[in-house]
Amino acid sequence: QVQLVESGGGVVQPGRSLRLSCAASAFTFSNYGMHWVRQAPGKGLEWVALIWYDGSDKYYADSVKGRFTISRDNSKNTLSLHMNSLRAEDTAVYYCVRSLASYSGDDLINHAFDVWGHGTTVTVSS
Amino acid sequence: QSALTQPASVSGSPGQSITISCTGTSSDVGSYNFVSWYQHHPGKAPKFMIYEVSKRPSGVSNRFSGSKSGNTASLTISGLQADDEADYYCCSYAGSSTLIFGGGTKLTVL
Repeated sequence: QVQLVESGGGVVQPGRSLRLSCAASAFTFSNYGMHWVRQAPGKGLEWVALIWYDGSDKYYADSVKGRFTISRDNSKNTLSLHMNSLRAEDTAVYYCVRSLASYSGDDLINHAFDVWGHGTTVTVSS
Repeated sequence: QSALTQPASVSGSPGQSITISCTGTSSDVGSYNFVSWYQHHPGKAPKFMIYEVSKRPSGVSNRFSGSKSGNTASLTISGLQADDEADYYCCSYAGSSTLIFGGGTKLTVL
């Protein structure tokens, strides 16, 4: 069945970098936008980043803009999140999520999350 | 951008109906019919329940329904069951390819 499996989480010191990966299977990965969503301990869900189906456009939450980079390799069905200058407040479970998109006029809107991975935990601590 | 506003908790007895509200602004909920809802049992992956305000994905029970009026969206669960006990999150498109979640609502089935 459709599956997303995250990896790469761990414990990292503040200011350091970490790279998360997500392996997609059982669907045509190159047809879908993809997101990262996170949940800090005791907090709610937070949208982190979006990459279009072909990698042509990328968007970020203000909280990570300039520090995180989303990327994808459609030949390998993989999604990545490169996280730099990590802070304690980046501690969270990070979910890889498939996007649901619809056209509104001529605009393609990625507006919901229809398939979720089980998440990988990132802890930023000295 | 601030998170959408949801009640921290709601409760109901088995068989009853409950409604969870999700209040945004004219820049998000009020501007787009792109509100979605997610059920999250702690320790599991969130589950996609409602999209485009009121549409249900295949496999989601028709006990779950969504609506919107102005800047406020709502999720109604009818015929409450024990397994409905979970955290529920709304999400809205906020323009410029960004999305914003609500703070989450803990549903307790008494």
